[in-house]
Amino acid sequence: KNEVEQSPQNLTAQEGEFITINCSYSVGISALHWLQQHPGGGIVSLFMLSSGKKKHGRLIATINIQEKHSSLHITASHPRDSAVYICAVRLEYGNKLVFGAGTILRVKS
Amino acid sequence: DADVTQTPRNRITKTGKRIMLECSQTKGHDRMYWYRQDPGLGLRLIYYSFDVKDINKGEISDGYSVSRQAQAKFSLSLESAIPNQTALYFCATSQGFPDYEQYFGPGTRLTVT
Repeated sequence: KNEVEQSPQNLTAQEGEFITINCSYSVGISALHWLQQHPGGGIVSLFMLSSGKKKHGRLIATINIQEKHSSLHITASHPRDSAVYICAVRLEYGNKLVFGAGTILRVKS
Repeated sequence: DADVTQTPRNRITKTGKRIMLECSQTKGHDRMYWYRQDPGLGLRLIYYSFDVKDINKGEISDGYSVSRQAQAKFSLSLESAIPNQTALYFCATSQGFPDYEQYFGPGTRLTVT
C-alpha cells in the first residue's frame, strides 16, 4: 500500500462545478503539500499546511491530522484549472517529501 | 528568469550512453533534490543534497549519480542509460527550517531507446 493515496485518479467536471480531491496518508508527517502540474510539465506549490484550513482565491485546502486526511477544493471551476493535482507529505523525521500519484483534472467549458 | 532551470529540456539517447542532466538555481537555497516522474506513479526521490558537501541517496538511486558543483548547481548523471530510465526528471530546491517548501524546475523529458 502506498504511503500517500489520492482519489479520484481522474476527474472530469463541467465549468462552474465544485471539485474535491482527496488525499490520505499512513505515515507521521510534519506538513502536507498540494502541488499543481500543468500539461507543460511544470510543478508549482499551491499550499503547505500542517493543520486546519488555507484558502487562496478559489482554492481551499483542509487537513485533519487525526484522520490523516486532506482535501483540496476548487470552487467555480474553470477550464484553466485543468491540470494534475499532487498531494505530498513531508515526513515527520528527515523532512523528505513522499508524493501521491496525482489526480488528473479536466474541466470542460 | 526562472529561479530553477534545467538543461536539457528534452533528450533522446541510446541504451548504454552516458548522459548528464543539469540543474541551476538562483534562489540561494542550500537544499537541492532530483526526482523522477513516471506515468501513474508519484514523483520519486533519486538523490538529495543539503549543502555542497552533503550528498544522500533517495529511494531509487541505483543507476544514477550526482554532483553538487556549487550551492547553485546540482547535476544528475546516468552512467549507462537503459530504457526503463525513460521518464520526466525534476530538480527542486528548498530553504530548510522554517520554510521547507520545494520549488521545482521545469523538468527534463528523457527518452532512452
